[in-house]
Amino acid sequence: EAAVTQSPRNKVTVTGGNVTLSCRQTNSHNYMYWYRQDTGHGLRLIHYSYGAGNLQIGDVPDGYKATRTTQEDFFLLLELASPSQTSLYFCASSDARESSYEQYFGPGTRLTVL
Amino acid sequence: SQWGEENLQALSIQEGEDVTMNCSYKTYTTVVHWYRQDSGRGPALIILIRSNEREKRSGRLRATLDTSSQSSSLSITAAQCEDTAVYFCATDAMYGGSGNKLIFGTGTLLSVKP
Repeated sequence: EAAVTQSPRNKVTVTGGNVTLSCRQTNSHNYMYWYRQDTGHGLRLIHYSYGAGNLQIGDVPDGYKATRTTQEDFFLLLELASPSQTSLYFCASSDARESSYEQYFGPGTRLTVL
Repeated sequence: SQWGEENLQALSIQEGEDVTMNCSYKTYTTVVHWYRQDSGRGPALIILIRSNEREKRSGRLRATLDTSSQSSSLSITAAQCEDTAVYFCATDAMYGGSGNKLIFGTGTLLSVKP
């Protein structure tokens, strides 16, 4: 079964702070994704990657950077956090070889920017 | 139904009742996913239906797809309290059928009361 882990699970920072959210998947999936989830908006794609060193822009990328250092690890960076980035963040992975395109999600990181 | 900028839908039913949730999409899609999200957890795929299928069943779940009206539905038969969750549809509609990127609906919060 796919395993996606995220850390930290909860994070509080102040406006202008620097935050890094981490994601690791242990199933050798090539695709990894970062989403944010806000009430009324569902899941919105921030950035995604199809392999180490690759980065693709999602639908709501402003204020976020991301880096895929290995097949397993995908990081989301907020270099100047703002209150509008208070949200629940999910990482997911998928295998391009699977025709179902199923995405496997981590447990989420709740970020609060004061 | 759920899509785009619509607010999170909420349904409340009694245990044992049947329930149907709807989803519409805007352009061609190769597959419609239905995910379930339990409180405090990430979404998980529960059923998917491909563009060449009209109906798919899995236990008490039934998904339908009408490509002419660009809509899908998820039905749960004889709902149980443990079916209480948020249900999302997702398609690759906005990305030309690429499959590896999904766009999620805003979700339906289903509450099943004993």
